[in-house]
This record gives sequence, C-alpha cells and structure tokens, in this order.
Amino acid sequence: EIVLTQSPGTLSLSPGERATLSCRASQSVSSSYLAWYQQKPGQAPRLLIYGASSRATGIPDRFSGSGSGTDFTLTISRLEPEDFAVYYCQQYGSSGHTFGQGTKLEIK
Amino acid sequence: QVQLVESGGGVVQPGGSLRLSCAASGFTFSSYGMHWVRQAPGKGLEWVAFIRYDGSNKYYADSVKGRFTISRDNSKNTLYLQMNSLRAEDTAVYYCAKDPLGWLPKGYYFDYWGQGTLVTVSS
Repeated sequence: EIVLTQSPGTLSLSPGERATLSCRASQSVSSSYLAWYQQKPGQAPRLLIYGASSRATGIPDRFSGSGSGTDFTLTISRLEPEDFAVYYCQQYGSSGHTFGQGTKLEIK
Repeated sequence: QVQLVESGGGVVQPGGSLRLSCAASGFTFSSYGMHWVRQAPGKGLEWVAFIRYDGSNKYYADSVKGRFTISRDNSKNTLYLQMNSLRAEDTAVYYCAKDPLGWLPKGYYFDYWGQGTLVTVSS
C-alpha cells in the first residue's frame, strides 16, 4: 500500500501570505492519480486539484498543484480567510485509494 | 447541480448490521462510478468501497472486505452500503462520493461528496 505523508501537520499563517503544503508518497505515484481536497469543520471534503495540477470546477486560481513521482505540493498564493481548513492529498494506485493524514492550515 | 444525500446511519451494537443509502441527483447516475469514504471522529479520511457505473466491478478496502457490500440501483439513482459484523472501529461519518468517470475498474478520485451520515458502533 502506498503511504502518503503530509507536512507540516499544522501550518500557521496570516491572510495574504503564501501557503505551501507537501505530500510525499512511499512509492512513485502517477501524476494522473494525485488529488487534493479541502475540508472545513462540520463539512464534507471538497475537491480542489486532480491530476496533480488541474483545478476542479469553481476553484479559484490562487490554488495550484505541482509535483511528480513521490513529491507533490499544493500552493495557495495569497490566503483568504475562507482558506483556513484541513487539506488532504489522495492517490489511486494498484493497492487502492489512500489519503494523507492531513495538514491543518490555521490563522496565525 | 450534483446532489448526494446519505441516510441510514445510527447507533448499532458490535456485531450488528446497518444499510446506508445515498440518493443522487443532478447528473446521470448510471454513467458514473461511486464510492464510500469514511471519517472516524477527529480523524482523517479512509476510502471504503467503489462500484463501477454498471455495478460490474466492486472494490473494497482490506479493513471492510468480507463484511461490507456496496451496491447500486440505477433505476432509483441510489447507492447502498450494507455493513455487517460491525466493530467499534467502524464508527465514523460515512460519505458517498461520485467518481468523475464510470469505466475505470477501481475508480479515480472523488469530485462530489454528500454531507455524510454518522454510524456509531457501541454497546
């Protein structure tokens, strides 16, 4: 099973700052099969990025994804108040779908 | 707009059974694969099961294989999860989620999610 490790566990930033979230895989992941989700308290997750770098419908362009192989990154260029949430990466591989443990983005 | 509404959650004793439903609308249900994903209280996300658009292929996480069964009724636009031999560690919010494709044998990612239904396994 491919294990996804996200870092940092918690990221404390201020609105207007740039956020960089990391997702590292225990084995190589096809870029086509790497996605990112945002989850706010009491809500269902929302798809942000699929195929490592494609934004989902309605997602603002301040969100961007990059990476390949075992290292992937979600970047939020300028944080808005509504961006403070938990972010998960997810991959699909031969052993099934797995998620990272999440990065909590909190207001500093 | 895509809408997914789960129901059927509740409190059940260890070893018991429960069936979850997910009513879908706003898209051609019979053309897309569907998933169940769960989240234990205060924990992260765990994928549970996938079913192909026509029900011809089903795929399960090892943690639920042999105990849970995913199914669908395309005439009713409804997804199901039959959960048997429930354990305390199955306690979670269960989300149904739509796959962006229908034909992949094991699914792809999750482009729309329902609001979830809480299952509590406790004596």
